Amino acid sequence: GQQLNQSPQSMFIQEGEDVSMNCTSSSIFNTWLWYKQEPGEGPVLLIALYKAGELTSNGRLTAQFGITRKDSFLNISASIPSDVGIYFCAGQPGEGSSNTGKLIFGQGTTLQVKP
Amino acid sequence: NAGVMQNPRHLVRRRGQEARLRCSPMKGHSHVYWYRQLPEEGLKFMVYLQKENIIDESGMPKERFSAEFPKEGPSILRIQQVVRGDSAAYFCASSPSGQPGGYTFGSGTRLTVV
Repeated sequence: GQQLNQSPQSMFIQEGEDVSMNCTSSSIFNTWLWYKQEPGEGPVLLIALYKAGELTSNGRLTAQFGITRKDSFLNISASIPSDVGIYFCAGQPGEGSSNTGKLIFGQGTTLQVKP
Repeated sequence: NAGVMQNPRHLVRRRGQEARLRCSPMKGHSHVYWYRQLPEEGLKFMVYLQKENIIDESGMPKERFSAEFPKEGPSILRIQQVVRGDSAAYFCASSPSGQPGGYTFGSGTRLTVV
């Protein structure tokens, strides 16, 4: 089935550093989403991307929908301790798939920030 | 405006028992999705429901698992004769339109099978 490969699996960085993570797939996706999950909670939407090439920012977060529709990246600038959590990419499958709104999730990137 | 409410937050069942997980969508949301998350993995789609209809159950195991979203009341994910491998976090999301950008996830139910 369709899969998303998310990397890196984990990151341990110093406060103030920039962070970058990405997701790739062999299949086309219509929508790319980035979520953050904290322990014991459900994922919270950070950024939604709907068009190939789209670049969207949300505060210190920036994400892009790859031009091939097979990848996306998320950047976090000037990290702070509260950025700690697990970040997931998710995509809505494209051509050949019925548009039911279901999402395919990446495996997650665990971010730890050292003050 | 309450978010997506899931209960119970934690559920412990012995092997062979039944587990019932409840999800009340946000007010005005008529689309409900269930996902399962194993430890240190991403979420896996299970089923998509609208009121009284199952739209997509392509992610549901063929046996022991069922879901419903009645005209009145919460959506229910039911697991019969639970096994240890069913231990996971189960998340519900609701949406007003069926488009993933409009999803709101609940806090999940953590099922432990002993």
